[in-house]
Amino acid sequence: DAKTTQPTSMDCAEGRAANLPCNHSTISGNEYVYWYRQIHSQGPQYIIHGLKNNETNEMASLIITEDRKSSTLILPHATLRDTAVYYCIVRLLSGGSYIPTFGRGTSLIVHP
Amino acid sequence: GAVVSQHPSWVICKSGTSVKIECRSLDFQATTMFWYRQFPKQSLMLMATSNEGSKATYEQGVEKDKFLINHASLTLSTLTVTSAHPEDSSFYICSARTITYEQYFGPGTRLTVT
Repeated sequence: DAKTTQPTSMDCAEGRAANLPCNHSTISGNEYVYWYRQIHSQGPQYIIHGLKNNETNEMASLIITEDRKSSTLILPHATLRDTAVYYCIVRLLSGGSYIPTFGRGTSLIVHP
Repeated sequence: GAVVSQHPSWVICKSGTSVKIECRSLDFQATTMFWYRQFPKQSLMLMATSNEGSKATYEQGVEKDKFLINHASLTLSTLTVTSAHPEDSSFYICSARTITYEQYFGPGTRLTVT
C-alpha cells in the first residue's frame, strides 16, 4: 500500500471548517483513499473513502486532487466532539492480500 | 454501519497470568479479523491477521506463542496474552472485515499488567 504523510497536529475553532490534508504521492491507480478517526481510548471510526471523485456523507467531505497525489478531509462545522486523531490510509478496495496499516495521523483539537 | 464488540473493555491482571480478549462481529460474518496493539501516544500497530478456520499470520516481531489467536467462527476471534508481563500493558483493538472488504473496528480493550 502507498504511504501517506499527514501533519502531526492541527487545531480548529468550534463551528469552523476543519481541513485535514494528506499526501499520498505514490498511490496507485486502483487504490482508494480512506479516512478514519480515533477518539481517545476508543477504536477507530470509519469516516469516508473515495477513489478519484469528491465524496460527501453526513460526517465529512473528501476532496481528492486530480492527480490523486493528495486529498483533504473537510469537517464542515467542527464541534468539540470532533477532537480526535485522524488517519488517512490508501488501500485497495478488495483483495485478500490487503493489510490495513496506520501511520501517525493528525491530532485535531477543536477549541471553543 | 456494522458493529464489532470486544470483551472485556478493560482488564487488570497479575504478571505471569493469561488474559483472553474476545472480538465479535455482531451483525455480519467476518472471514478475516485483525488484531492491533496501541501504546500511549502511538499509532495502531498490526499484530496479526486472523482468517476463520486457519492459523493466524503474525507480523514481524510479534511472538505467536505469547499472543494466541483463535478464529473459530465467522463472528468470533479471540486473543490470549499468555504469561503477561507489565510491558504487555497496552490498548488492544480488533477489526473485522466484511465480505465486501469494508473494515470495522472494535472499541478496544485496555490491558494493565501489574
